Amino acid sequence: DAKTTQPPSMDCAEGRAANLPCNHSTISGNEYVYWYRQIHSQGPQYIIHGLKNNETNEMASLIITEDRKSSTLILPHATLRDTAVYYCIVWNSGTYKYIFGTGTRLKVLA
Amino acid sequence: GAGVSQTPSNKVTEKGKYVELRCDPISGHTALYWYRQSLGQGPEFLIYFQGTGAADDSGLPNDRFFAVRPEGSVSTLKIQRTERGDSAVYLCASSLTGGFNEQFFGPGTRLTVL
Repeated sequence: DAKTTQPPSMDCAEGRAANLPCNHSTISGNEYVYWYRQIHSQGPQYIIHGLKNNETNEMASLIITEDRKSSTLILPHATLRDTAVYYCIVWNSGTYKYIFGTGTRLKVLA
Repeated sequence: GAGVSQTPSNKVTEKGKYVELRCDPISGHTALYWYRQSLGQGPEFLIYFQGTGAADDSGLPNDRFFAVRPEGSVSTLKIQRTERGDSAVYLCASSLTGGFNEQFFGPGTRLTVL
């Protein structure tokens, strides 16, 4: 499984865009990038996933570089409730399981 | 609708005892996963069920750990002869069919082995 690298922590001002980077330089052509977040004392929550095209949903946008070796999760207008640990996961259909790293602890500041 | 539920939410036991942790997945979800999360770490995969069968149990750390899903719905994670190192939050997730479908996680069971 491809390894992902994320910064351990980031701060973001409330109302501003939060841009969370992830490196996955060993990703294979059939592997997807998934993002989950975990708010304190809760289970992880799905945010978004993509293969090679940029994706957007009601929660966030996912920008994947053309070579697919890195991606960025964008929370367009961060709120205090977005304070959480964000996990970038590379997934392939052969394994079904997620391999989590240690994630990025995002703190949204008032 | 109802999400994934796990019981108990907290379990304190003594070293050497046997424990069972229960997971009720979302109704109709055929895939079920167990993960373990230690403090400050991301969840670590334990086992994946597709229906009643364990499709991948490669994450179970040793033979003290066992999980069942006899009717393809509720699952029980069983830990024999618990050790202090087993203390962690045990997370259960379900997804519609496995594969690309997102996994829905429960709130976890916090296990403390004294």
